[in-house]
Amino acid sequence: EPEVTQTPSHQVTQMGQEVILRCVPISNHLYFYWYRQILGQKVEFLVSFYNNEISEKSEIFDDQFSVERPDGSNFTLKIRSTKLEDSAMYFCASNPTRVRETQYFGPGTRLLVL
Amino acid sequence: AQTVTQSQPEMSVQEAETVTLSCTYDTSESDYYLFWYKQPPSRQMILVIRQEAYKQQNATENRFSVNFQKAAKSFSLKISDSQLGDAAMYFCAYRSPTQGGSEKLVFGKGTKLTVNP
Repeated sequence: EPEVTQTPSHQVTQMGQEVILRCVPISNHLYFYWYRQILGQKVEFLVSFYNNEISEKSEIFDDQFSVERPDGSNFTLKIRSTKLEDSAMYFCASNPTRVRETQYFGPGTRLLVL
Repeated sequence: AQTVTQSQPEMSVQEAETVTLSCTYDTSESDYYLFWYKQPPSRQMILVIRQEAYKQQNATENRFSVNFQKAAKSFSLKISDSQLGDAAMYFCAYRSPTQGGSEKLVFGKGTKLTVNP
């Protein structure tokens, strides 16, 4: 069964460094999402992406964040200058179409900012 | 804005028994989607079951079923014949309808389920 994949599974970085989290959505999916989960807290929406554009973003998704679909398969989340509070689990998700409401999640990337 | 509340931070159940996890939500929309996701220690989010608000019939998936009470804005998850592998964090989530609605999932804080052998 097709799955959403994410790399790396874990990343440790120094405060102020740039990180890029990568996701490969399910191949026929068209809508892509990033969520994050700070340890012990609820999962929070960051951004949705369709047709090479951001379709919705949360207040968390400020100028330090960006998303990109550089080719036909990858979907990336970039944090330009990481802060301690960016330490979290980051989940990528995808939908085949907007009509199909189930978002399929990847296994997550655990980001630790020191 | 929609909110999702899970009032039980932790629950436990004996293996083979039945447990019900509670979820309530607040919305002014008449059509929407509700989900239960499971997050085992590996922390991957796995879809357990989904419910469309326009459907009166409660969704079921094998040992998992929901009790959807639209008027009460309640969406509880029942796990029958609990197994050790059911031990996980369970998140209730809400999504707006397709047309003109937000695409994001709104999650509750989760319920940690322990299954005792």
